[in-house]
Amino acid sequence: DAKTTQPPSMDCAEGRAANLPCNHSTISGNEYVYWYRQIHSQGPQYIIHGLKNNETNEMASLIITEDRKSSTLILPHATLRDTAVYYCIVSRGAQKLVFGQGTRLTINP
Amino acid sequence: GAVVSQHPSRVICKSGTSVKIECRSLDFQATTMFWYRQFPKQSLMLMATSNEGSKATYEQGVEKDKFLINHASLTLSTLTVTSAHPEDSSFYICSATRGDNQPQHFGDGTRLSIL
Repeated sequence: DAKTTQPPSMDCAEGRAANLPCNHSTISGNEYVYWYRQIHSQGPQYIIHGLKNNETNEMASLIITEDRKSSTLILPHATLRDTAVYYCIVSRGAQKLVFGQGTRLTINP
Repeated sequence: GAVVSQHPSRVICKSGTSVKIECRSLDFQATTMFWYRQFPKQSLMLMATSNEGSKATYEQGVEKDKFLINHASLTLSTLTVTSAHPEDSSFYICSATRGDNQPQHFGDGTRLSIL
């Protein structure tokens, strides 16, 4: 599975949009981009996934570049409860997720 | 939808004890379940992949005789840590998926402490 690169940490003000970048320059044609987050001492929570089109659900939006080498997760109106470690993972289907170190997002009041 | 329940949430036991952890998909049939381990301040590491009715596939370095996995139905997988020792203390997390291209959904984890 392709590796991803994420900034180790980010800060965002409460109520603003949080934009989390991810680079996956070696992604192959049949690999999806998945985003999960992990709040301290809990299991990871699925957020969103996509192949090549932009996706939106009740939690977030996923913007994938046309060449699919990078993506951005957007939390439109961040709240304090969005403070977590966010993982960007590329995988064929839902097999064998390889978790990197992720981005530690802190939402500030 | 897509709820995965893991039980127990916390276990404290003596060295040499065997511990069983259950993972259930409550509202969907999971063709595949996964077991991960997470040490403090580290990321999740996959231990094994489990398909219903067949033997689990273990990642390199994970002892299959130490970590017994049973996936008897499409909604239940169990992980048994046999003869647990203090170095087995960790956060164990399961996940389940309906199938290819569907996301994995995770349980809330089991914190295992071996004294």
